Amino acid sequence: GAVVSQHPSRVICKSGTSVKIECRSLDFQATTMFWYRQFPKQSLMLMATSNEGSKATYEQGVEKDKFLINHASLTLSTLTVTSAHPEDSSFYICSAGTGGPRPGELFFGEGSRLTVL
Amino acid sequence: TQLLEQSPQFLSIQEGENLTVYCNSSSVFSSLQWYRQEPGEGPVLLVTVVTGGEVKKLKRLTFQFGDARKDSSLHITAAQPGDTGLYLCAGAVRDFNKFYFGSGTKLNVKP
Repeated sequence: GAVVSQHPSRVICKSGTSVKIECRSLDFQATTMFWYRQFPKQSLMLMATSNEGSKATYEQGVEKDKFLINHASLTLSTLTVTSAHPEDSSFYICSAGTGGPRPGELFFGEGSRLTVL
Repeated sequence: TQLLEQSPQFLSIQEGENLTVYCNSSSVFSSLQWYRQEPGEGPVLLVTVVTGGEVKKLKRLTFQFGDARKDSSLHITAAQPGDTGLYLCAGAVRDFNKFYFGSGTKLNVKP
């Protein structure tokens, strides 16, 4: 089946630095990818929709200048957490769908655990 | 505010018992999916339902989509310790690939 890969799986950074997380669709082209964050023992919260070749669409309450999303190719989307602070520590997960007019399977990456000291 | 509310939030049962998890919303969904997630990993898709009133079975798991496509349920028969995990429902409102997740149900099945 289709695979979505995230990198890095874990990252620890100092407060004030920026961190980039990559999401790759390995065997299919994804015109749209989605970024979620998940706090411990909570559900996934949709942050933004990453659109290949255009600006990302952010959910209400998500700071677009804080969480920069770039979808430069059909197989790669990146999420950059800028000027990270301890409250940004979370599990970030991306997903990519096969698209089309019917509901397809949504493939999730393995997740990236960010810890901001 | 969560678009999808799941109940119960936590469930701890003995092996062999049956259980039902509910997923409710005031919104109508074009499709709804159920996922199971292990700690530190991404969610894994269990089922997709599209048609109101649809019932799907996956071994000991039975999924139902409400007639109005606003709610869903997951029923597990004769639960096993391997069923332990976080169960998430997710609904797509318009875009078939843009899903909003429910609040989650953490299931623990004791041997």
